[in-house]
Amino acid sequence: SQKIEQNSEALNIQEGKTATLTCNYTNYSPAYLQWYRQDPGRGPVFLLLIRENEKEKRKERLKVTFDTTLKQSLFHITASQPADSATYLCALVRGDKIIFGKGTRLHILP
Amino acid sequence: DAGVIQSPRHEVTEMGQEVTLRCKPISGHNSLFWYRQTMMRGLELLIYFNNNVPIDDSGMPEDRFSAKMPNASFSTLKIQPSEPRDSAVYFCASRHGDRRTYEQYFGPGTRLTVT
Repeated sequence: SQKIEQNSEALNIQEGKTATLTCNYTNYSPAYLQWYRQDPGRGPVFLLLIRENEKEKRKERLKVTFDTTLKQSLFHITASQPADSATYLCALVRGDKIIFGKGTRLHILP
Repeated sequence: DAGVIQSPRHEVTEMGQEVTLRCKPISGHNSLFWYRQTMMRGLELLIYFNNNVPIDDSGMPEDRFSAKMPNASFSTLKIQPSEPRDSAVYFCASRHGDRRTYEQYFGPGTRLTVT
């Protein structure tokens, strides 16, 4: 069956450093991969989409890579700030269906 | 735009009672999704609609769950009868037909507690 794995444990990063989150998947061939941010008590908010034929996508301090051979996406936040603290979800898209990972909780320490 | 609107925000009910969750998608969006989120299972897709028509309900856990979308601006998710294991946060999301981003806009969720 399809499986998406994200770091289940929280990630603590010092302010100003680069935070790197991992999303691995098996038994799936997504056409797109998305990253969402979720704050406590709120719904997920879309951040970035990367297509299967793209290696890297950037948006301001965010960078996403997508390796379809390794079946892995890396999500980087450079110059991290306490306001970046949240849970980050990866999502695989094929056709109309989207499958979400459980998310990684990120804490940026001041 | 007010975004996706869900009601109620919190619902506490007793086992066996009927629960109805409501969603108003963003105007102009033609796809609507219902999700359930728990710590154990994460965010799970229950059902989605395109142009008010249910396309895939394979995520609906059992016959106690049903969803309707009578028009483009309203959808309901009903649980009858409710059970304690249904306790979760239920999200509604909508999406524009532009297939280039697949971006979904989520509502604030309904936190359901079944005692």
